[in-house]
Amino acid sequence: AAGVIQSPRHLIKEKRETATLKCYPIPRHDTVYWYQQGPGQDPQFLISFYEKMQSDKGSIPDRFSAQQFSDYHSELNMSSLELGDSALYFCASSLSQESTDTQYFGPGTRLTVL
Amino acid sequence: GIQVEQSPPDLILQEGANSTLRCNFSDSVNNLQWFHQNPWGQLINLFYIPSGTKQNGRLSATTVATERYSLLYISSSQTTDSGVYFCAGLSGYSTLTFGKGTMLLVSP
Repeated sequence: AAGVIQSPRHLIKEKRETATLKCYPIPRHDTVYWYQQGPGQDPQFLISFYEKMQSDKGSIPDRFSAQQFSDYHSELNMSSLELGDSALYFCASSLSQESTDTQYFGPGTRLTVL
Repeated sequence: GIQVEQSPPDLILQEGANSTLRCNFSDSVNNLQWFHQNPWGQLINLFYIPSGTKQNGRLSATTVATERYSLLYISSSQTTDSGVYFCAGLSGYSTLTFGKGTMLLVSP
């Protein structure tokens, strides 16, 4: 079965640079979620989109922005990168925005900021 | 959002042993998921189980919604079961909140 696809899988950036992470949800899933997992931490919700509109917002820094496109893929844009942004970034998708829907997680993008 | 507490925080087992991991949540949930994070960082969906009992091979899970806890059972553990096990819950219209995880090490 198709899964959530994330690219790139690994990314190394310098401080103050920008990064763009991409997420391709499972086919027919219209809701996308982004999570950040710091070293030794649990995943923290950043932001979600339903039908190309932002549906919920968590602890996402103002330096980060995200959007969902007409084909339902999503991109997380991160600017003025800081050392503390080094983390695993997960994208998840669900069939709809119903809270009872299972969220399926992608393999993650490991971002290292030097 | 809800609070999710997992226990134990760490667990070391010999291969072949059984174990039970627990997840307590502070409010009623309409979504509860268990995940296994392998050493490569991938989050693998194990169960979607807001209530009831499910089984998948050597793994099974039970959620008692009225008492606000869920249990994950691992039987005949194997070294490949090592990693971090997370439960995550969602109440009402909040977002999915993860517990701190249980780090499991299965030794040969």
